[in-house]
Amino acid sequence: KNEVEQSPQNLTAQEGEFITINCSYSVGISALHWLQQHPGGGIVSLFMLSSGKKKHGRLIATINIQEKHSSLHITASHPRDSAVYICAVTQGYQLIWGAGTKLIIKP
Amino acid sequence: EAGVVQSPRYKIIEKKQPVAFWCNPISGHNTLYWYLQNLGQGPELLIRYENEEAVDDSQLPKDRFSAERLKGVDSTLKIQPAELGDSAVYLCASSLDSHEQFFGPGTRLTVL
Repeated sequence: KNEVEQSPQNLTAQEGEFITINCSYSVGISALHWLQQHPGGGIVSLFMLSSGKKKHGRLIATINIQEKHSSLHITASHPRDSAVYICAVTQGYQLIWGAGTKLIIKP
Repeated sequence: EAGVVQSPRYKIIEKKQPVAFWCNPISGHNTLYWYLQNLGQGPELLIRYENEEAVDDSQLPKDRFSAERLKGVDSTLKIQPAELGDSAVYLCASSLDSHEQFFGPGTRLTVL
């Protein structure tokens, strides 16, 4: 069993739809990260969470420490949101990565 | 503020040739990381520096890979000689102490 699991692995939606990507982890962590990677591109850090909820533009990230679960939401999705979204957790200095969710938003 | 800078962005070489990647971290970030990312997989840590000291290089294949961060700022990762299986994206990241990591755009290496 992977220490960080994401679902779904792949998600295709129409422009404007509300998107939810889930992440569950089984280890003790100091923080959880949501990152975005476009094809051929580097990784961009979207959020770092240790509790509660954060919002940036159309992106919202929540974490429930007791349930060891986090969600990334995208409101009013747009084709430019198409990318791989990665959940990673921090143990000390180490990042433990989820497998990523490939999101495609169709116009 | 400039982010993590990496060069080159793309590199194509023939097997058995040497190759080097350069990374300049965010100003003031004392911790620097080199990752390898194969297609469809998450990044794997190769080496972590705190200032100029390599504090974790356990995953670095030392027979062909080497890295340096002589002045505790920018860093170079070298492969000599390159093999076909080294084709991947090489990512550099930096952080202040061991907090949030910020990633560079990566160098996509193709070994022919």
